[in-house]
Amino acid sequence: ELKVEQNPLFLSMQEGKNYTIYCNYSTTSDRLYWYRQDPGKSLESLFVLLSNGAVKQEGRLMASLDTKARLSTLHITAAVHDLSATYFCAVSNYGGSQGNLIFGKGTKLSVKP
Amino acid sequence: KAGVTQTPRYLIKTRGQQVTLSCSPISGHRSVSWYQQTPGQGLQFLFEYFSETQRNKGNFPGRFSGRQFSNSRSEMNVSTLELGDSALYLCASSSDGWAGGGYTFGSGTRLTVV
Repeated sequence: ELKVEQNPLFLSMQEGKNYTIYCNYSTTSDRLYWYRQDPGKSLESLFVLLSNGAVKQEGRLMASLDTKARLSTLHITAAVHDLSATYFCAVSNYGGSQGNLIFGKGTKLSVKP
Repeated sequence: KAGVTQTPRYLIKTRGQQVTLSCSPISGHRSVSWYQQTPGQGLQFLFEYFSETQRNKGNFPGRFSGRQFSNSRSEMNVSTLELGDSALYLCASSSDGWAGGGYTFGSGTRLTVV
C-alpha cells in the first residue's frame, strides 16, 4: 500500500519568513501533485511534477521532486497572509485500489502578521 | 472553459435515506473520480469512471455506487445513509485518468447526515 506522509501537519508562520513543507511517499511514482484548499472549498491545483528533478515556481511557492528519495518539497518564500490554507501533496498511483491519487494528510498553514 | 460542476453544493439527509450527487467534468474529459473528505480520514478514493465504465474502485462498502453517462457526467449514490457518511464529496476530472496535466476538482458537495 502506498503511503504519503506530509510534515509538518500544522505550520504557523510569521509574514515575511520562509519555510518548507515536506512530502514523502513509500513506493515508486513518477508524478506528484500539490493542491491548495481553503476552508470549506475545493482543491485548487498548484503544481504538477512529472519527472525527477522537476522544479516549478509560482509566485512565492516553489515545488520540487526527487523521485529517487521519494520526496517532494513545497517551499514558501516571504510568506503573506493570503497563503494561509491547507496544502496537500498527492502521488500518482494509477490503477491502484487506493485510487489514482494518494493524498497526504495536508499541512495547515497559518501566516500571521 | 467551464470547470468541474458538482451539484448540489449542500445536502442534509436523515439516516437511512439515500442520496445522489452529480458531477459534470470539463468538456472533453472522459475520466471522473470521486473522493470523500473527512477531518479524520482525509481524502479517500471512492471510484473512477472512464467512458461509462468503472475503471477503479476504492475500499468503500457497496452502499456507495456510481455511474457515468455518455456525456461523461457522473453520478454517485449512497444508500442507507449513516452518520459517518457526513463528508465533503469531491469529484475530479481528467482527460484520461493518467493525467500528466493533473486533475481538476469540483467545488464539492457537503453532505450532512442527521
